[in-house]
Formats: sequence, C-alpha cells, structure tokens
Amino acid sequence: DADVTQTPRNRITKTGKRIMLECSQTKGHDRMYWYRQDPGLGLRLIYYSFDVKDINKGEISDGYSVSRQAQAKFSLSLESAIPNQTALYFCATSDLPGGAYTFGSGTRLTVV
Amino acid sequence: GIQVEQSPPDLILQEGANSTLRCNFSDSVNNLQWFHQNPWGQLINLFYIPSGTKQNGRLSATTVATERYSLLYISSSQTTDSGVYFCAVSGYSTLTFGKGTMLLVSP
Repeated sequence: DADVTQTPRNRITKTGKRIMLECSQTKGHDRMYWYRQDPGLGLRLIYYSFDVKDINKGEISDGYSVSRQAQAKFSLSLESAIPNQTALYFCATSDLPGGAYTFGSGTRLTVV
Repeated sequence: GIQVEQSPPDLILQEGANSTLRCNFSDSVNNLQWFHQNPWGQLINLFYIPSGTKQNGRLSATTVATERYSLLYISSSQTTDSGVYFCAVSGYSTLTFGKGTMLLVSP
C-alpha cells in the first residue's frame, strides 16, 4: 500500500456541487498538507495541519475547507465547486519542520 | 521569501545519455529536496539532500549549501526518466518549488 493514499484518483463534478477529497497516510507523520497544481503556476498550498487540533490556511484557501479527522486522515472539501477549481490536487506529509515530504498520487478534479 | 530557480527549463535526451540539472536558491537553506513528476502526474521524492552527495541507482544529487545550489545527475537515461524534475526548499509551513525541468528521453 502507498504511504499516502488519495481518493478518488479522478473526478468530474458539476458547478455548485460539494465534493470531498480524502487523504490517508501510514507514515505516522504529524504534518499534512493540501496543494493544488495548475499548468504554469506550479504547486500552491491550500491548507496545512501540524496535528489533529491544528489547521492553518495556505496561500489559496478561499473556496476550500479541510478536516483533520485523525493523525492519519486529512480531507479537503470544495463547498460549491467552480470551474476554476479544475486542477490536480495533492496531499502530502512531512515529519519535521523542513523534513522530507511524501506526496500522494494526486486527484485530478474537473469541474464542468 | 526564498527564490528557487532551475535550469534548463527543457531538455531532450537520447536514451543512454547523461544529464545534469541545476537548482539555485536565494538564501541559506538546510532542506533541499528533488522530486520527479512522471507523465501520469505522480510526484516522487528522489532525494532529501540538505548538503553533500547522495546516490540512488542511476541518479545522484549534490548540494553545496554555502554556494546555494544543488545538482541532479541522471546517468544512462531511460525513457522512464521522462517527466518534470522539481527542486524544492521547505520552510516552516510549505515547500517552495522551482518551476521545474521538463525532461524527454527518446528511445
């Protein structure tokens, strides 16, 4: 099994729908992150969490929310999806400040 | 914030050739990482290399932190090496990525 698992791998949804992307990890890391990747814009941080009780906004959190259900689980929600949220979404973990990051396989989301 | 620059932006190789990718960063860091994003989009951590040299099969990386650069060497390239190579520096809450080097290895 992968260290960081994201579901679903691909999703097409309609404008206005609520959608949840899920992430689970077996690394035992406290730190978890959600990024989105767009062509030409690189990876941008949406939210991050340093432990179950700690949630922080990243640089592009508008339109997104997250839930840290357990040390191993960190989900990202789009409350009302819009087409410009079409992107490749990654979950990642790290163990220490400045430590090595491990990324999930990504979720390719299309909002039509 | 820290600036991360990569070169070259694009690279085309014949299978079996060697290559060197470069990453320059604007400030002293102690946590340089190299990633490979394959054509299916997966991001794989190749090296966590704050300083010194590491090797993993045909790939090796060297970071000279005092001179603010890191090099990724790919020897005897294979078509499966194709994709985008990113270097990144981690701060308190996030990674700062370079724009990447897109590598195409042709048979």
